[in-house]
Amino acid sequence: SQKIEQNSEALNIQEGKTATLTCNYTNYSPAYLQWYRQDPGRGPVFLLLIRENEKEKRKERLKVTFDTTLKQSLFHITASQPADSATYLCALVGGGNKLTFGTGTQLKVEL
Amino acid sequence: DTGVSQNPRHKITKRGQNVTFRCDPISEHNRLYWYRQTLGQGPEFLTYFQNEAQLEKSRLLSDRFSAERPKGSFSTLEIQRTEQGDSAMYLCASSPTDRGDTGELFFGEGSRLTVL
Repeated sequence: SQKIEQNSEALNIQEGKTATLTCNYTNYSPAYLQWYRQDPGRGPVFLLLIRENEKEKRKERLKVTFDTTLKQSLFHITASQPADSATYLCALVGGGNKLTFGTGTQLKVEL
Repeated sequence: DTGVSQNPRHKITKRGQNVTFRCDPISEHNRLYWYRQTLGQGPEFLTYFQNEAQLEKSRLLSDRFSAERPKGSFSTLEIQRTEQGDSAMYLCASSPTDRGDTGELFFGEGSRLTVL
């Protein structure tokens, strides 16, 4: 069956360090993958999209990689700040722009 | 504010009652999606519309669930004879079709349902 896995345990890091979140998937062949941020009690907010023919995408302090051979995407936040604390969701894009989400990883950036 | 709007934000109901949620998408967006999210999980797809046509429904959407988008603008999601297992956050999202299948979804703040 299709499965999208993200680190289920919260990731705690110190301010200024780089946070790396993992998204692994099985039984999918997505052409696109998206990352969203979700704060408690709020809806997800789009961050980045990466295509299967792109190895890496950057936006300000964010970097996403997409390895279709390993079936994995990595999401990096450099120079992390307490304001980056949130849950980060990866999502595979299907037909009709329908998204299938992972369970999300909670990130806590401590002072 | 021109974002996706959902009402009510919170709903507490007793088991067996019917509830209805409303979603107003971003005005120029043709596509509208409903997702359900339980604690500690990612959003799960329920259904989506392109204009007024409901193009896909998940197996999660039992017969007690019905969604409509009568004029291709706002949408409603009704749950009949609610069960405790229906307790969740119901998220609505919209997107424009001119971005094809690669565009981001714009989510509302969600409607949280608690069934007692």
